[in-house]
Amino acid sequence: GAVVSQHPSRVICKSGTSVKIECRSLDFQATTMFWYRQFPKQSLMLMATSNEGSKATYEQGVEKDKFLINHASLTLSTLTVTSAHPEDSSFYICSAFQGDTEAFFGQGTRLTVV
Amino acid sequence: GQNIDQPTEMTATEGAIVQINCTYQTSGFNGLFWYQQHAGEAPTFLSYNVLDGLEEKGRFSSFLSRSKGYSYLLLKELQMKDSASYLCAAMDSNYQLIWGAGTKLIIKP
Repeated sequence: GAVVSQHPSRVICKSGTSVKIECRSLDFQATTMFWYRQFPKQSLMLMATSNEGSKATYEQGVEKDKFLINHASLTLSTLTVTSAHPEDSSFYICSAFQGDTEAFFGQGTRLTVV
Repeated sequence: GQNIDQPTEMTATEGAIVQINCTYQTSGFNGLFWYQQHAGEAPTFLSYNVLDGLEEKGRFSSFLSRSKGYSYLLLKELQMKDSASYLCAAMDSNYQLIWGAGTKLIIKP
């Protein structure tokens, strides 16, 4: 089946630095990818919709200058957490739709900011 | 507003059958998804329903009633590895997924 690869799976960074997370659709083209974050024992929260070749659409309350999204090709979207702080520590997950009916998720990235 | 409701936690016995219910209210409707999520891992796609009725896929089946805004996930012949959270998500008219909080399923020997 279709595969979405997310990298890195775990990252620890110092407060104030930036972290880039990659999301790749390995065997299909994805014009739209979604970025989620999940806090412990909570459901997924959509952060933004990434559209190839155009600006991402951010959900209310998500700072677009802090969470930079670049969808430069049909198989790659990146999320950069800029000037990370401990409260940004979370599980970040991307997903991409193959057609309209199946959404596949990356493995997730556990970000810890110290 | 848009809303997804599913039970917080359920317990079942290995080898038995369990049904996890989900009710939804969305602005428009483009399908209902079920995902399985083990602790610390990303969700795994289980099923997608957009038409009324039952879809069977091995030990897992998913049912949808659009008129009632209701779906369920049926797990048969439960195995210990089925212990996980099961997430219900409805797709609205903008093709956005509206997520439930998840049902934690505990399987006992």
